[in-house]
Amino acid sequence: DAGVIQSPRHEVTEMGQEVTLRCKPISGHNSLFWYRQTMMRGLELLIYFNNNVPIDDSGMPEDRFSAKMPNASFSTLKIQPSEPRDSAVYFCASSLAGDTQYFGPGTRLTVL
Amino acid sequence: GIQVEQSPPDLILQEGANSTLRCNFSDSVNNLQWFHQNPWGQLINLFYIPSGTKQNGRLSATTVATERYSLLYISSSQTTDSGVYFCGEGTYKYIFGTGTRLKVLA
Repeated sequence: DAGVIQSPRHEVTEMGQEVTLRCKPISGHNSLFWYRQTMMRGLELLIYFNNNVPIDDSGMPEDRFSAKMPNASFSTLKIQPSEPRDSAVYFCASSLAGDTQYFGPGTRLTVL
Repeated sequence: GIQVEQSPPDLILQEGANSTLRCNFSDSVNNLQWFHQNPWGQLINLFYIPSGTKQNGRLSATTVATERYSLLYISSSQTTDSGVYFCGEGTYKYIFGTGTRLKVLA
């Protein structure tokens, strides 16, 4: 398997622009997670999907962030409008039935 | 909520040395994983180990759920072991420790 696939790997944008991050989980996995990593806050969960349904979005910072999972093989995390404090590495991870989580390579987002 | 503490925060080793990294939890253990974040930022799964002991080559891990801690052992360390080691614990949403930053010198 190719593992968890994320795109883009790097994104540089200007404040106020919309940013869309994409994730393809490992085939057959039914849980998908979006995490954010910053120096100040470390690794923190943003949202968790199970069987394409958002189960816990308590980590989503504010209404500017939204996530969707239209099918079992694709998820998006959108930030609109983006702000400099959103600069971070965003990881997507997937697992089967809450077992081992496998992380994608991450998207490094820089908001100027 | 659950707190996850990792120690030591930093570790410098000479190649070939052994080391033990520790993860303490404030509540009972559900799912637990150890990860290695390499210098390129990739998070590599090392062990899924909510209890017991596992070994994979030079690495092994032990979780004592009743005492709320987990240990990661690295033997005969190599420069490629450098990076940050994280433990994550939770039912589905992992709470991560702040990591142990390991540097192995040639």
